[in-house]
Amino acid sequence: GDSVTQMEGPVTLSEEAFLTINCTYTATGYPSLFWYVQYPGEGLQLLLKATKADDKGSNKGFEATYRKETTSFHLEKGSVQVSDSAVYFCALSRTIKETSGSRLTFGEGTQLTVNP
Amino acid sequence: ETGVTQSPTHLIKTRGQQVTLRCSSQSGHNTVSWYQQALGQGPQFIFQYYREEENGRGNFPPRFSGLQFPNYSSELNVNALELDDSALYLCASSFRQTRTFNSNQPQHFGDGTRLSIL
Repeated sequence: GDSVTQMEGPVTLSEEAFLTINCTYTATGYPSLFWYVQYPGEGLQLLLKATKADDKGSNKGFEATYRKETTSFHLEKGSVQVSDSAVYFCALSRTIKETSGSRLTFGEGTQLTVNP
Repeated sequence: ETGVTQSPTHLIKTRGQQVTLRCSSQSGHNTVSWYQQALGQGPQFIFQYYREEENGRGNFPPRFSGLQFPNYSSELNVNALELDDSALYLCASSFRQTRTFNSNQPQHFGDGTRLSIL
């Protein structure tokens, strides 16, 4: 079945440091890939997406490129801020063949803490 | 644009009881999905509803059931509650073009209902 593996956390960085959170996936077909962010006490917010190989998703300084050859979708940001502290989830979405529905499969999440 | 709203925000129940959680989808969306997020883990897919029909189900027992209404809002019902049902329950809405075509539009989440079982 589908699965998503994220780098083990937590990750602690100083403000303005470079961020990489690794994400690899296993899925049949051609899934869409997403990064969601969850702040304390809140639901998940869509951060960025990519729907086909070599697509680059970007938002708020974060970027991720859909690499089909390495089945990866690593999240990067050149200079993190204290306000980026949150839990980050990598996810894939694939159409359910029998019903044309869709389901998200998530990784375990990576806790990011950015210190001033 | 109205986002996804869920109610209640918090709920405490005891083992064996039943619970109903509610979700209003984002305006313009016609599909609702429910997820269970245990503490410190990623969300797990429970099921999805489109045009008032269940449209896919994850690995959850039949005591987890749902409904979708003509205005696209939805309910999640859980019977015979167990301690392991304690979790954050997230609702997400999205738009699907037709019954046979789905371009996997992003799902937008509410803030969830925190369910605690004593």
